[in-house]
Amino acid sequence: DVKVTQSSRYLVKRTGEKVFLECVQDMDHENMFWYRQDPGLGLRLIYFSYDVKMKEKGDIPEGYSVSREKKERFSLILESASTNQTSMYLCASTFSGLNYGYTFGSGTRLTVV
Amino acid sequence: AQTVTQSQPEMSVQEAETVTLSCTYDTSESDYYLFWYKQPPSRQMILVIRQEAYKQQNATENRFSVNFQKAAKSFSLKISDSQLGDAAMYFCAYRSGNQFYFGTGTSLTVIP
Repeated sequence: DVKVTQSSRYLVKRTGEKVFLECVQDMDHENMFWYRQDPGLGLRLIYFSYDVKMKEKGDIPEGYSVSREKKERFSLILESASTNQTSMYLCASTFSGLNYGYTFGSGTRLTVV
Repeated sequence: AQTVTQSQPEMSVQEAETVTLSCTYDTSESDYYLFWYKQPPSRQMILVIRQEAYKQQNATENRFSVNFQKAAKSFSLKISDSQLGDAAMYFCAYRSGNQFYFGTGTSLTVIP
């Protein structure tokens, strides 16, 4: 069964901590994405990557960075966590080609205290 | 800019009845795909149905079907014979190139 795996379901971190959210897919997808999901705001794109070592800013990249050293792994980094980064974080991946949908991970609920 | 609008934040339906969730989008492109995703309370988002813009025939997947009106830029989801397991957030999405654009979601409640 194909999968996108996010390393943690729940995380609690302190303000100012550096936080790593990991996402691994086993489908050989070229494209990987990080979203945050907040009630009433839907899904907002943080960063995405079309290939290894490539990254592009999404709609809300401030306070975040990413790393893609291997095709299957896409990491989201909160350089200095703040309370307004408390959210649900979703990783997704897909092939290039319009007819492909996303495969999503299960999400990480991050709470910054 | 591409935008996707879901104007119904919440909907409810009686078990076994039919419900339609609305979605409109805005684009100047001619080649794109549209998707509906379901996010149950357990959170993992799953693909429900997809529609290619060039196809006039509406997509159908078992109890789920779409009403795609390209000129009106409308892409509604119809769920027939609603079941308790259909309770979830539903997101409409548009794909252009390698990017997806999502609506803000509709929360569907199924009443036993």
